[in-house]
This record gives sequence, structure tokens and C-alpha cells, in this order.
Amino acid sequence: AQSVTQLDSQVPVFEEAPVELRCNYSSSVSVYLFWYVQYPNQGLQLLLKYLSGSTLVKGINGFEAEFNKSQTSFHLRKPSVHISDTAEYFCAVRVPTGRRALTFGSGTRLQVQP
Amino acid sequence: NAGVTQTPKFQVLKTGQSMTLQCAQDMNHEYMSWYRQDPGMGLRLIHYSVGAGITDQGEVPNGYNVSRSTTEDFPLRLLSAAPSQTSVYFCASRGRSGEAYEQYFGPGTRLTVT
Repeated sequence: AQSVTQLDSQVPVFEEAPVELRCNYSSSVSVYLFWYVQYPNQGLQLLLKYLSGSTLVKGINGFEAEFNKSQTSFHLRKPSVHISDTAEYFCAVRVPTGRRALTFGSGTRLQVQP
Repeated sequence: NAGVTQTPKFQVLKTGQSMTLQCAQDMNHEYMSWYRQDPGMGLRLIHYSVGAGITDQGEVPNGYNVSRSTTEDFPLRLLSAAPSQTSVYFCASRGRSGEAYEQYFGPGTRLTVT
């Protein structure tokens, strides 16, 4: 079975500052990795995904993430955040075969302050 | 395309009542799933389906039933509602190939059981 740990439940940051949201996973097999964003009272939207290849993945809205296999991490970064980035961010994994459903972390609430 | 639609958006039930949460997708996706979202716990898989006529249990299936008679629809039934089922419910769908790596989420149904 897979599991995902998001180490920070809340991350407050000032506008235009850089941010890193941490994600670690556990799996006995290779996985696909995802970051989703949830704006208030909305569903989830895919930010970016890692399937294979380059370990640095770029997504929408200026976000990027780096897959580190030795540390089983997939941290999300943005060099300069905006007020509009205030949302909850979920890291998720999925194995390529079998159930094919996502296993989510508990989420990190990013609060961007002016 | 409407994507993934869910009805109702909000629902209040009394303990012991039953109801069906509706989910439909118009993308001809084979895979559909139901998640519940609770504070501090991320999203947890309730049931999923890999095609019409095929369903299986996820992490937290107790108290819920599903069926998949068509590709488009995947309703979730609460048999006898309990306060522990107060949550936000998300339906999701995914194709088999091409953009199969992205799971599309509906806007959610906020359920309160009193």
C-alpha cells in the first residue's frame, strides 16, 4: 500500500516570497506523483504530475516540483507567491497498475498575506 | 463538455435517512471514483469503478453503496445516514489512455447528517 505525508498543515507566507510545500511518500513500487490545488469551496484541480523522466516538473500558475527518489519526496515550490495562490494543496500518488486510484496526503493550507 | 457534474451541492439529512449522491461525466471516461474529504485527512477513497458493471471498494466503503450501469453515471448511495458521514464528497473520473494520468474532479457535495 502507498501512503503520503504532507509535513505542514499550514504555511503562512508573505506575498512575493518563495514557498515550498513538502510531500513525502511511501511505496514498495514505483508510483506516479501529483499535486492538486483546491480553492475555497471548489473541487480539485491538477497543478502538475510526475510520471517518469526529468525529475523537475513544471506545472500551471508558476509552480514546479522536484521528484527525489532517494528521499521519496516530491516537494512543491514557487519562487514568488501571489494572494491568489491562497488555497489548500494536496500531494497524491498512484501506482501505474491495479486499483489506479489516488492516495492523498492530508493537505497543506497555503495562506498568502499582503 | 460539462466535465464531471455532481448533484446536489448541499444536503442535510437526519440520522437514519437514505439518499443518493449523483455523479455524471460526459468525457467517456472508464474510471470513476468517489472520495470523501474531512478536515486534516485529505481525500479518502470510498468506492471506484473501472467500467460499466464493475465496482470495487476503496479505503472507507462502510455505509455506502455504488453501482455503474452506464459509462456516464456513478451514483453513491448512503443506506442509513450517520453523523460520521458528515463530509464533503467528490466524484472523479479518468480516461484509460492519452490524458489518463489526470483525474478530473466534480465540484463536490457538502453533506451534513444531524
